[in-house]
Amino acid sequence: EDQVTQSPEALRLQEGESSSLNCSYTVSGLRGLFWYRQDPGKGPEFLFTLYSAGEEKEKERLKATLTKKESFLHITAPKPEDSATYLCAVQATGGFKTIFGAGTRLFVKA
Amino acid sequence: GAGVSQSPRYKVAKRGQDVALRCDPISGHVSLFWYQQALGQGPEFLTYFQNEAQLDKSGLPSDRFFAERPEGSVSTLKIQRTQQEDSAVYLCASSLVAGGITGELFFGEGSRLTVL
Repeated sequence: EDQVTQSPEALRLQEGESSSLNCSYTVSGLRGLFWYRQDPGKGPEFLFTLYSAGEEKEKERLKATLTKKESFLHITAPKPEDSATYLCAVQATGGFKTIFGAGTRLFVKA
Repeated sequence: GAGVSQSPRYKVAKRGQDVALRCDPISGHVSLFWYQQALGQGPEFLTYFQNEAQLDKSGLPSDRFFAERPEGSVSTLKIQRTQQEDSAVYLCASSLVAGGITGELFFGEGSRLTVL
């Protein structure tokens, strides 16, 4: 069964304190792995798509990497406005369903 | 509008009532998805439309749930005889690409359903 597990559930950082969020996945055949950001009361906002192991994508203070079993979202020198829930999701080949993890709630304190 | 619009934003229903949730996707987007998100959880897939064709409804939890997109644009998710376990946020997302295979889904703000 296709599955996505994110850790930690919650992460508290001081402003400027870099860290990483983990996404472990099992999927029959990976079409793509996606990262989204979700603010309270809002829908998820697309960040990145990774297609194959070794691929990396960057956007401002965020960098996403992919291996055959995991993806990491690295946050460099975070700011309070980076506080949000970060969702990882996978889509398997041959289907349309996107399977989401439960998310990591990130709190960045000034 | 520029984004995905969902209505109503909030709906309170008594157990047993029928509800209808509307989604206006971004104009020209061929793919439309419905998701259900419980508090503290990630979105769970319900169904997928490519234009007016419903290609995957494997995530609909029971035959009380029904979705349609008759003209390939606006979509409606209908829940009949609502139960307390149906309380959740229902998210609609659209994509320019068939199947949403780029992962770039544009989500609405959701419809929060509370069943008393």
